[in-house]
This record gives sequence, structure tokens and C-alpha cells, in this order.
Amino acid sequence: GNSVTQMEGPVTLSEEAFLTINCTYTATGYPSLFWYVQYPGEGLQLLLKATKADDKGSNKGFEATYRKETTSFHLEKGSVQVSDSAVYFCALRPNSGYALNFGKGTSLLVTP
Amino acid sequence: DSGVTQTPKHLITATGQRVTLRCSPRSGDLSVYWYQQSLDQGLQFLIQYYNGEERAKGNILERFSAQQFPDLHSELNLSSLELGDSALYFCASSVRDFREETQYFGPGTRLLVL
Repeated sequence: GNSVTQMEGPVTLSEEAFLTINCTYTATGYPSLFWYVQYPGEGLQLLLKATKADDKGSNKGFEATYRKETTSFHLEKGSVQVSDSAVYFCALRPNSGYALNFGKGTSLLVTP
Repeated sequence: DSGVTQTPKHLITATGQRVTLRCSPRSGDLSVYWYQQSLDQGLQFLIQYYNGEERAKGNILERFSAQQFPDLHSELNLSSLELGDSALYFCASSVRDFREETQYFGPGTRLLVL
């Protein structure tokens, strides 16, 4: 079946550090891939997405590249801020399906 | 603000009771999805409606049901509630239901069953 695996954290970084959150997936064909972010006490917000192999999604300094050969969609940011503290979810939507399959989420805490 | 609204924001009820959660999708969106977020299960898909018709079912219990009305708002009905039903329930919407389309999430309804 379809599944997403991501590092669970918590990940604690100092402000301006480099961030990588790993995400790998299992799916047949070419799913669409998404990163969502959940700030404390809020709902899910789309951070970025990629719909085909080698696509790079980017938003607010975050980037992720759809790597078909390694079935990965790792999230990166060059310099994190305290305001980036949140839970990050990697998700896929399969070729022949309607729902999003989510990873378990990675909690990020950025300290000043 | 995603444009998806959910009411109520919080709900506290007792075991055995029945509740209804409401979702209004973004203007123009035909597809509505319901998800449950709990500590042990994470984020799980429950059910999807498209233009008033059920399109897909996920891990939805038989005690739960949903519908989408002609004005495209949706309701999720949870009955015979158990302690384990305590969770955050999200509604999401998209224009259609194509693979590459973004699903926009509402702020969620936090349900606490005592």
C-alpha cells in the first residue's frame, strides 16, 4: 500500500541553522507529494508541493525535490527562524486515489 | 486563512452521545475530505465527498457518517461516542479531486469525549 515515513523528532535547532527533515514514500506510479505545516493550536497549511519526478517545490525559504529514484521528498531550509517552530507533515496523494497519506509528523523547535 | 471553515472549534461531550461537525469548503470547491488527527493514529483519512456524492472511504468507523449538501457544505456525524474518539477532526477541500490538486484544510474541531 501507500505510506510515508518521516523522522519523528523532536528536532531542536538554533536560529539560522540548516534544516533537513527526511521523508521517504512507498507508492506505485507517480504520486503527488506535499509538505504541510501545523503551527501550535492551528490547522494544517500547505507549505509546498511537487507533482512529478525532479520537480522542486519551494515556499518561504523551504525547498523539497521529488526524487523518484530514491522515493524521497526531503524538506530543507538554509536558515531557520524561531517562527518556523511547528510540526511538519510529509504527505502523498497516489495516482489512483483521492486522500492524502500522511507521515507521523516531525516536531521542530528553533531556539534563539 | 485557508477559506475553509469548521464549527464548532471545540466540543466536549460524554460517552454514548452523538455530535455533528460542520464544514464549509472554499468558495467554488466541489470536493470535501474529512481527516482525524489523534496522538496514537496520527492523521488519517476518513471520507470524501464530491459534489454531493460519496467518493472514497478510508478508516471511518461504522458509528461515523457524513454527507455533503447541495450548497456543498458537509457534516460529519459521530455517534455512540467512545473515549477513543477524542481527537482533532479536520475538513479539507479542493476544486476537483485530481491527484496534483492542493487540499486546503480548515482549522479543525477538537472533540473531547469524557
